[in-house]
Amino acid sequence: EPEVTQTPSHQVTQMGQEVILRCVPISNHLYFYWYRQILGQKVEFLVSFYNNEISEKSEIFDDQFSVERPDGSNFTLKIRSTKLEDSAMYFCASSEGTSGGNEQFFGPGTRLTVL
Amino acid sequence: DQQVKQNSPSLSVQEGRISILNCDYTNSMFDYFLWYKKYPAEGPTFLISISSIKDKNEDGRFTVFLNKSAKHLSLHIVPSQPGDSAVYFCAAKSSWGKLQFGAGTQVVVTP
Repeated sequence: EPEVTQTPSHQVTQMGQEVILRCVPISNHLYFYWYRQILGQKVEFLVSFYNNEISEKSEIFDDQFSVERPDGSNFTLKIRSTKLEDSAMYFCASSEGTSGGNEQFFGPGTRLTVL
Repeated sequence: DQQVKQNSPSLSVQEGRISILNCDYTNSMFDYFLWYKKYPAEGPTFLISISSIKDKNEDGRFTVFLNKSAKHLSLHIVPSQPGDSAVYFCAAKSSWGKLQFGAGTQVVVTP
């Protein structure tokens, strides 16, 4: 069964450093998403991406964040200068479409720890 | 942003009995509602969804009910099994596929 994969599973970084979280969405999916879950809090939407453009982004997704689809398979989330409060689980998701019940398939997540 | 609420952080149910999880929302523009299940160290896994124009959707042991006038939905799991022990998230979809999640309900199924 096709699945979304994410690397690394755990990333530890120093405050102020740049990190890149990587995702490989399901191959025939066209819509890609990043969500995050801070420990003890709800899963929060960060950004959606379609046709090499951001479709929608949340207030959390400020200038420190960027997304890219550098090739036909990877989808990345970059945080330019990490802050302590960026520590969270980051989930990538993909879907075939956005209408109706097009479910989003989630990856296993990357745990980001900012020291 | 509290547009999707799950007011019960935990639920304990005996194996074989019914689990009922509840979810409330405030935004009438949501067009689809979904339930996801999450095990520790894994991403959310899709369970079942319902369109805002329906009031019930059933898939095996899982049934979702939607009451639009009350802005309330519920997930019924019958019969509950030990493998159902997980965190269950209610989510609502609007615009470009953006999902808004509730805080989750931890379900524990006891023998």
